[in-house]
Amino acid sequence: RKEVEQDPGPFNVPEGATVAFNCTYSNSASQSFFWYRQDCRKEPKLLMSVYSSGNEDGRFTAQLNRASQYISLLIRDSKLSDSATYLCVVNMRIKAAGNKLTFGGGTRVLVKP
Amino acid sequence: DAGVIQSPRHEVTEMGQEVTLRCKPISGHDYLFWYRQTMMRGLELLIYFNNNVPIDDSGMPEDRFSAKMPNASFSTLKIQPSEPRDSAVYFCASSIQSGRANEKLFFGSGTQLSVL
Repeated sequence: RKEVEQDPGPFNVPEGATVAFNCTYSNSASQSFFWYRQDCRKEPKLLMSVYSSGNEDGRFTAQLNRASQYISLLIRDSKLSDSATYLCVVNMRIKAAGNKLTFGGGTRVLVKP
Repeated sequence: DAGVIQSPRHEVTEMGQEVTLRCKPISGHDYLFWYRQTMMRGLELLIYFNNNVPIDDSGMPEDRFSAKMPNASFSTLKIQPSEPRDSAVYFCASSIQSGRANEKLFFGSGTQLSVL
């Protein structure tokens, strides 16, 4: 089983609609969680951090469910510019080695007019 | 502020040749990471450094891969000899250790490597 798993998609979303997708992680000792956004042929960029049960930033809401070991990302009022791949990242702090960040394979979102 | 700078942006080489990828992290950042991204395997951590010292190289695929960080502003990832299966986008990322701030990675634009 992969440490961090995501539905690869694509999620085809009409402009203005709401889309949500999950990411599951296997290590219950994981301590913090992130969503990164990656545009085609570009580098990943941090979208949101999820430290407690959840986080909201404008149209984006991230939630964490530690009991079921998943995080979710919800995008409201989708814009064409939201089309991208969303990478789930799970962090486990290792004393001697700092942080171990593990990336999921990404969920592709296509927002269409 | 300049971000993480990688060079070259694109590299096309023949099997068996040596390839050197370069990275300049953001000034003041004390962690540097090398990742490889392919369609099949996604983003994989190859190696990371803290204060120029390699901390975890368990992701380096085999002895053909080596990475160095001679100083705080420069790192290289070398593949010798290169093979077609090494074709991928190689990203360098840096972060700064400051509570949780060291969990935020800043990525370079990547090097698209094609080994023929």
